[in-house]
Amino acid sequence: GESVGLHLPTLSVQEGDNSIINCAYSNSASDYFIWYKQESGKGPQFIIDIRSNMDKRQGQRVTVLLNKTVKHLSLQIAATQPGDSAVYFCAETPRGWSSASKIIFGSGTRLSIRP
Amino acid sequence: DVKVTQSSRYLVKRTGEKVFLECVQDMDHENMFWYRQDPGLGLRLIYFSYDVKMKEKGDIPEGYSVSREKKERFSLILESASTNQTSMYLCASSSGGSDTGELFFGEGSRLTVL
Repeated sequence: GESVGLHLPTLSVQEGDNSIINCAYSNSASDYFIWYKQESGKGPQFIIDIRSNMDKRQGQRVTVLLNKTVKHLSLQIAATQPGDSAVYFCAETPRGWSSASKIIFGSGTRLSIRP
Repeated sequence: DVKVTQSSRYLVKRTGEKVFLECVQDMDHENMFWYRQDPGLGLRLIYFSYDVKMKEKGDIPEGYSVSREKKERFSLILESASTNQTSMYLCASSSGGSDTGELFFGEGSRLTVL
């Protein structure tokens, strides 16, 4: 069946270094992908999204890369800061996405920052 | 500041009890969602609603029902709570006119069923 998964459940990064969080998806019909950040005790927050007609999108200190050939998604965080400590979820939606469509979340990667 | 408010952060209930989880959003959003979050399983969609009195089953609707009588309020109901419904429950909303997958989440309701 379809799944949205992660290569690593935890990631430890030195403060100031770049972080790369990876995500694999198996549904080739998915055409819209999203990254969410969940800090401890809070609900997830939208970070950035990308559509399948793109392979890269940049935001503030974050970049999402999409490789449709190998069904792989990554989130890059530049100059990681203590405030980036959180669980990061990738999510996908099927082709023909609308705002009321189901969004399928992965299991999450915990990012911890070493001082 | 936009807000999704869940009425209870922590609840402890007994097996067989009826449980109501309330969610209110102040953004005039058309869409509202209930997810449960369990370690290693991510967020799984229980039900969602794209309009008042409308509801759609998500991936794990069994044992749950929902109510949306007003646009701003979406309630999750456990008719007869069971121990396997011990979980974190997250409510979210989104604009019907949005072209992004941006869901606005509440802070969650952690339910323990004994």
